[in-house]
Amino acid sequence: QVQLVESGGGLVKPGGSLRLSCGASGFSLSNHYMSWIRQAPGKGLEWVSHISSSGSTIYYAVSVKGRFTISRDNAKNSLYLQMNSLRVEDTAVYYCAREGGSGYDYDVWGQGTLVTVSS
Amino acid sequence: QSALTQPASVSGSPGQSITISCTGASSDVGAYNYFSWYQQHPGQAPKLMIYDVSDRPSGVSNRFSGSRSGNTASLTISGLQAEDEADYYCSSYTSSSTRVFGGGTKLTVL
Repeated sequence: QVQLVESGGGLVKPGGSLRLSCGASGFSLSNHYMSWIRQAPGKGLEWVSHISSSGSTIYYAVSVKGRFTISRDNAKNSLYLQMNSLRVEDTAVYYCAREGGSGYDYDVWGQGTLVTVSS
Repeated sequence: QSALTQPASVSGSPGQSITISCTGASSDVGAYNYFSWYQQHPGQAPKLMIYDVSDRPSGVSNRFSGSRSGNTASLTISGLQAEDEADYYCSSYTSSSTRVFGGGTKLTVL
């Protein structure tokens, strides 16, 4: 069964750090581009970051550039998001998503992990 | 990168057809065929409904169709059913190699 499972969310103070993980099962992560997408409570989806299958090409949304770092370990079939200098506005459910056949759509999503930034 | 523009809400009665629009720019929606639609029910992760503007993934009902004219793409749902009630989001690749989502549209089945 093709599946993505996120972990690592929680409550953190403004300025703090958190590392999210996304484990893949049922398929080989090394064959796919991956992205992190977030959704603030009651709000819409916001694309956060993309990483190519080898990890050589990375892009970030302006809102997180310089604070967040996406990475992957294909040997462990895992994707990561290191989040530093967290702000209240980073509070959201964070989803990892597999980019599909065309490479530009998201055909498999995790269930999401909630990150709450609050003092 | 500004979010793509979607109507906040649309509604329709069972059996009817509805269309949700998504407007962007010549640097995203109008530039590439890398455009997709997602359905999200409350408390669930989004689900891919349309990719590459008008293609349907395996398992998605043929009541869902996508199209594009210029910088505006559309999702049409025909034969509306109660289970179609959900939030719908559009997404596009951009000229900056980033991705952008629409603000989302809440579909109510009356």
